[in-house]
Amino acid sequence: DAGVIQSPRHEVTEMGQEVTLRCKPISGHDYLFWYRQTMMRGLELLIYFNNNVPIDDSGMPEDRFSAKMPNASFSTLKIQPSEPRDSAVYFCASSSGTGGTDTQYFGPGTRLTVL
Amino acid sequence: GENVEQHPSTLSVQEGDSAVIKCTYSDSASNYFPWYKQELGKRPQLIIDIRSNVGEKKDQRIAVTLNKTAKHFSLHITETQPEDSAVYFCAASRWAGGFKTIFGAGTRLFVKA
Repeated sequence: DAGVIQSPRHEVTEMGQEVTLRCKPISGHDYLFWYRQTMMRGLELLIYFNNNVPIDDSGMPEDRFSAKMPNASFSTLKIQPSEPRDSAVYFCASSSGTGGTDTQYFGPGTRLTVL
Repeated sequence: GENVEQHPSTLSVQEGDSAVIKCTYSDSASNYFPWYKQELGKRPQLIIDIRSNVGEKKDQRIAVTLNKTAKHFSLHITETQPEDSAVYFCAASRWAGGFKTIFGAGTRLFVKA
């Protein structure tokens, strides 16, 4: 298995632009998680899905952030409009079974820079 | 709000020595405690985890202990090697009322050859 796949690996954009990050979870995993990592705030859970359904988005910082999972093999995290403080590494992770007590496998991350 | 405190923030040891990283959590409903290793520019990778019904778990040179009463868990690395140098994160997670996880701020471990 190729593991969790994220694209793009790096994204540089200007303030106000829309940014879309993509994730393909490990096949057969029914939980998908989006995390954000910054020096100031560390690793934070933004939102997670179970069987393509968003379960808890309480970690999403603002209405500018939205996430979708149209099918079991694809999820997006969108920021519109983007701001410089959104600059971070965004990780997608997936797990199987009960999720919280099963290993979460992280993708390589997308390093987002908003100028 | 709930939080996880992780200490120390930086740890430097000589190759072959042991390293200990400690975390304290506040959410008494936490029942799953993973530890991640993150090398520079790479993704976090699970190295060991422990569930609330277990007090200690060991995997080769790595061990984790959990004290639920004190809300405290620790990572122990023995016979450290230069390739152990990385940032280590603890996390306290639970599923009651939906999945919640809070990460510690991380410990940067340097193993000197």
